[in-house]
Amino acid sequence: GAGVSQSPRYKVTKRGQDVTLRCDPISSHATLYWYQQALGQGPEFLTYFNYEAQPDKSGLPSDRFSAERPEGSISTLTIQRTEQRDSAMYRCASSSSTGDTGELFFGEGSRLTVL
Amino acid sequence: LAKTTQPISMDSYEGQEVNITCSHNNIATNDYITWYQQFPSQGPRFIIQGYKTKVTNEVASLFIPADRKSSTLSLPRVSLSDTAVYYCLVGITGGGNKLTFGTGTQLKVEL
Repeated sequence: GAGVSQSPRYKVTKRGQDVTLRCDPISSHATLYWYQQALGQGPEFLTYFNYEAQPDKSGLPSDRFSAERPEGSISTLTIQRTEQRDSAMYRCASSSSTGDTGELFFGEGSRLTVL
Repeated sequence: LAKTTQPISMDSYEGQEVNITCSHNNIATNDYITWYQQFPSQGPRFIIQGYKTKVTNEVASLFIPADRKSSTLSLPRVSLSDTAVYYCLVGITGGGNKLTFGTGTQLKVEL
């Protein structure tokens, strides 16, 4: 697509439920990042993909968090057994592996609220 | 990974030049320095990137001394619309690498 698309834009869930967030990157971009951003804080790295490979998932806060990008395009971030502390904005970004600057293009984000 | 340190906040007035400095003492040889701007409720947006010396584009300049242990983002003649958070990132670009945002600098521009 023309830009990075994330869905849903807003998600309200009850504690203990599972949620899945989706990211559709710019079509030509090999690299995809997931960040978590709390209000008033900078984006915190969660994980990234080069095509379908996931070289670094060191930022995932716990084993309740997982991400996939099975065909090297669309990615999902799943949070199992959500907790209130998971409430945050989840941002996806993509970049071209051949770009001069490796510029990150961000989507609008998915705001998760866990009640 | 190189850690970055920036001032938490800065205040300025319209028409002034603003300089935001970022420290990155343990920058690696292959690392580039990239600055992003973030408005409330939006994702960060790329401003400028450099490796050494000076880089200038239509919105900003980036000054990097020879030792590369710091960098300064310069915004000429700021306006109210430049009020945002500015992040300094240090890392290898292209090909996919872990890129870490710090706490950023909240710039507030007033009339």
